[in-house]
Amino acid sequence: DTAVSQTPKYLVTQMGNDKSIKCEQNLGHDTMYWYKQDSKKFLKIMFSYNNKELIINETVPNRFSPKSPDKAHLNLHINSLELGDSAVYFCASSTPQGAAAFFGQGTRLTVV
Amino acid sequence: QKEVEQDPGPLSVPEGAIVSLNCTYSNSAFQYFMWYRQYSRKGPELLMYTYSSGNKEDGRFTAQVDKSSKYISLFIRDSQPSDSATYLCAMTLIGGYQKVTFGIGTKLQVIP
Repeated sequence: DTAVSQTPKYLVTQMGNDKSIKCEQNLGHDTMYWYKQDSKKFLKIMFSYNNKELIINETVPNRFSPKSPDKAHLNLHINSLELGDSAVYFCASSTPQGAAAFFGQGTRLTVV
Repeated sequence: QKEVEQDPGPLSVPEGAIVSLNCTYSNSAFQYFMWYRQYSRKGPELLMYTYSSGNKEDGRFTAQVDKSSKYISLFIRDSQPSDSATYLCAMTLIGGYQKVTFGIGTKLQVIP
């Protein structure tokens, strides 16, 4: 059973489109995250949610909107996609007491 | 200056060698230190998690933290071809959903 699962795994879309990435964790964790890994492989936090409440928003453009319907799910919606949004997006989860996170397999987004 | 500095490599070693991977950091308030392993096109996987200064051993892996020097290390003994991956150091101010800051990762290749 996959601990943190994301869909889709690959996403190719045109500039200006709106797309969503879904994430689910079955670890019972209260805290979930979205990370972005750019072409240089640098991994940077975008958002974190604790028990459905937004905790961290790392100066991400407001075209990116996370939504947490419950503590096991954290989705990422992106409006008006730009070429620079092309990257791998990782969902992760952890307990509030533990900074160490469990990552999903990633969603490789390509904007053309 | 980046908060966390890590040599991206690549680092090539023969099978059986002892591998030393390192990170330096600038923020003396970092308290939790992690090492992740990331295989190509996969999500990061937590390897080691330590709090404050000291050593921690798990099988062939040893993590060291020297807070006085702001320097952390990961040692891999008896390296195997299956250890070939990118190793990312990460650290955070306190446990939980506080922002985790990653190094850029060191690409390791273990040659049979």
